Amino acid sequence: SQQGEEDPQALSIQEGENATMNCSYKTSINNLQWYRQNSGRGLVHLILIRSNEREKHSGRLRVTLDTSKKSSSLLITASRAADTASYFCATGPTSGTYKYIFGTGTRLKVLA
Amino acid sequence: DAGITQSPRHKVTETGTPVTLRCHQTENHRYMYWYRQDPGHGLRLIHYSYGVKDTDKGEVSDGYSVSRSKTEDFLLTLESATSSQTSVYFCAISADRSTEAFFGQGTRLTVV
Repeated sequence: SQQGEEDPQALSIQEGENATMNCSYKTSINNLQWYRQNSGRGLVHLILIRSNEREKHSGRLRVTLDTSKKSSSLLITASRAADTASYFCATGPTSGTYKYIFGTGTRLKVLA
Repeated sequence: DAGITQSPRHKVTETGTPVTLRCHQTENHRYMYWYRQDPGHGLRLIHYSYGVKDTDKGEVSDGYSVSRSKTEDFLLTLESATSSQTSVYFCAISADRSTEAFFGQGTRLTVV
């Protein structure tokens, strides 16, 4: 079963708007990561947030983590057509494992 | 970009034949992973390696085997290909368990 589950599965917004995607997971984590995948390409790492962090920023990206609710959110501000992609969360390995477990992704479409 | 190369990039094979996919890295990272990506399932972990000759199963390992005889190479073998193994296969690497994973460009495998 998947560790991470993204919500919504698909999102369509206008250029300039903000896009928010959510990720829920089931077990304790060491860190949580967000990746972007453009159509037909490999995944590109966006941002990593550790279990003792609550919020992290990188350019137009803001990630929050609530370990008590086992959830994370990715906010993309002032979206651009180039942000059109699928976005995945992944939970990083905890003690005793080496696995990155991915969710099913959110497909974001930014309309120009 | 992380130095990670998958070969072949595309392959069509017949049911019942063995197939080997290769992942080669130039980063000297300890951890290597094989995932498959299918519509509606996101990325699912097949096998992973935490060192030379150290491998373990992921969540969808049936019908697959792996080998890692050198740090830089991680081979995925489909022992007897089936149509259900038609998928896009991604290799990933990471330096340690608390950092991000880097992905290859993927191999599109079609079993006819």
